Amino acid sequence: NAGVMQNPRHLVRRRGQEARLRCSPMKGHSHVYWYRQLPEEGLKFMVYLQKENIIDESGMPKERFSAEFPKEGPSILRIQQVVRGDSAAYFCASSPNHGQGSYEQYFGPGTRLTVT
Amino acid sequence: SQQGEEDPQALSIQEGENATMNCSYKTSINNLQWYRQNSGRGLVHLILIRSNEREKHSGRLRVTLDTSKKSSSLLITASRAADTASYFCATDAKGSNYKLTFGKGTLLTVNP
Repeated sequence: NAGVMQNPRHLVRRRGQEARLRCSPMKGHSHVYWYRQLPEEGLKFMVYLQKENIIDESGMPKERFSAEFPKEGPSILRIQQVVRGDSAAYFCASSPNHGQGSYEQYFGPGTRLTVT
Repeated sequence: SQQGEEDPQALSIQEGENATMNCSYKTSINNLQWYRQNSGRGLVHLILIRSNEREKHSGRLRVTLDTSKKSSSLLITASRAADTASYFCATDAKGSNYKLTFGKGTLLTVNP
């Protein structure tokens, strides 16, 4: 059973370009989460999605950031007009249907975004 | 301090010794989880302890949870050089138990 897959692993963008990060959850998992990790920091929650639905995007910046999890295909985190402050590691996690309130999340290897 | 704050920030021990890391949090939780992150890599899930549990074991790992003190500890026994990594605790708050809040982590170095 393959784990959570993310691509690309490393992404370099110039200021003003768009960054598109992909995440394929573990097989059988229908819940996807995106987190951002700045250097020397812990992970910060960004957004929680189920297929075709955004459940909670309270951690997402209001401008330039968007996320989707279509019926078919991977979840996408899109950052438009990137700025240097967007440089970070972006992690995706997935979990199976939640039974009894257990939200054990399995993380992908992350995408390291560098904005030059 | 922020939710899910670990201490110490860094810990250096010799192979074979035990390592203890602590985590404190502020709000009521459903679960507390510990993760490991090797440098430049993703997070590996180690153990989940529910709010109604006090202690849990998994191999060389022992986790305790004291909800009255809002704290948890992770003990790694008989440490190995391969245990060198950053360790994070993550909490999920009642009412939004999918949203994990991480601390800054404890960097553990196990010297051979």
